[in-house]
Amino acid sequence: NAGVTQTPKFRVLKTGQSMTLLCAQDMNHEYMYWYRQDPGMGLRLIHYSVGEGTTAKGEVPDGYNVSRLKKQNFLLGLESAAPSQTSVYFCASRRTGASFVDTQYFGPGTRLTVL
Amino acid sequence: AQSVTQLGSHVSVSEGALVLLRCNYSSSVPPYLFWYVQYPNQGLQLLLKYTSAATLVKGINGFEAEFKKSETSFHLTKPSAHMSDAAEYFCAVTSIQGAQKLVFGQGTRLTINP
Repeated sequence: NAGVTQTPKFRVLKTGQSMTLLCAQDMNHEYMYWYRQDPGMGLRLIHYSVGEGTTAKGEVPDGYNVSRLKKQNFLLGLESAAPSQTSVYFCASRRTGASFVDTQYFGPGTRLTVL
Repeated sequence: AQSVTQLGSHVSVSEGALVLLRCNYSSSVPPYLFWYVQYPNQGLQLLLKYTSAATLVKGINGFEAEFKKSETSFHLTKPSAHMSDAAEYFCAVTSIQGAQKLVFGQGTRLTINP
């Protein structure tokens, strides 16, 4: 049981390039989330998904797109990278919890630098 | 709307001393509160969570936190600091509604002095 994994661990892009970050979970969780972490700002929600085939915007969605074609995978795309997108990206997942608040489990992160 | 404020971006204590990390929240609905820890170059690990069952919550590694509604606080404490506690700590709030999105504080970096 690997939990939440993220690929790649590190990436350097040039301004204008595109890339996709992959998040995978093997816990059969319904909900998945993408956050970015910047110094002094904590973690901020980019996009999230409440189930296979669904996505929704979070607090800072501009410049990012996401897809959830399979329940276990949640992809984060940058179509045209900008230096402001230099950050550490974390994926998280949790079970369905309509009547209780469940824990979000986090991946190890992807460190992205945009030059 | 919900928000979290962590007082003190850096806290430094001596080994064996009390650890106190402060978290205040704002929420228009009943809050559910979390403390996560992040060790260098790692992801976030759950320390403890408040889900309304008990106001004093015990977590891993000897940490505990007390939910005080009147003070809108959820401070994290540990009686005796260890060198291994050096990390960044995040307080987060959510509600039972909708997608239960977490709103994080800015984080507190804890340094332990020998």
